[in-house]
Amino acid sequence: AQSVTQLDSQVPVFEEAPVELRCNYSSSVSVYLFWYVQYPNQGLQLLLKYLSGSTLVESINGFEAEFNKSQTSFHLRKPSVHISDTAEYFCAVMGSGSEKLVFGKGTKLTVNP
Amino acid sequence: GAVVSQHPSRVICKSGTSVKIECRSLDFQATTMFWYRQFPKQSLMLMATSNEGSKATYEQGVEKDKFLINHASLTLSTLTVTSAHPEDSSFYICSAIRANYGYTFGSGTRLTVV
Repeated sequence: AQSVTQLDSQVPVFEEAPVELRCNYSSSVSVYLFWYVQYPNQGLQLLLKYLSGSTLVESINGFEAEFNKSQTSFHLRKPSVHISDTAEYFCAVMGSGSEKLVFGKGTKLTVNP
Repeated sequence: GAVVSQHPSRVICKSGTSVKIECRSLDFQATTMFWYRQFPKQSLMLMATSNEGSKATYEQGVEKDKFLINHASLTLSTLTVTSAHPEDSSFYICSAIRANYGYTFGSGTRLTVV
């Protein structure tokens, strides 16, 4: 079975500051990793994913995440955040051979002016 | 693309009544859909896996008779909350897998039972 830990439930930052949202996972098999973003009363949108290959993955809006197998982490980073990045961010894991996504509890990112 | 439409977005119902939520894959066929429940300020909990043409697979602790899932076609899965009670109030989200696109999520349904 897989599990995901998002250590920070809330992260407040100022606009244009860098941010890191932490995600750690546990699994007995190889995994695929995802970050999703959720705006209020909406579904989830895929931000980025790691399936294989390069351990550093990027999104089109400036976010990046690095798969670190030794530390079982997949932290999400952005060097300079915008007000519009305010949302809930969920890290998720899928075990190889499984179709089930297991989510962390989410991190609410609030970007203040 | 891979678009999943979920309807309704919000519903208020009286305690004891049943509510049906629809999840449609608009531009692809989905043999497998998933239903999640999200409590306030919490993560998404997988309720069940919906397979076209067969019975849904429920996660441990989810009442099959309470949350009826029907996946009668390759583009439609429905979740019916039967005899709803206030504790069933929640945000329900469906998703589907499309080859080369991965998971696509519906926009969610806010259910309030009064």
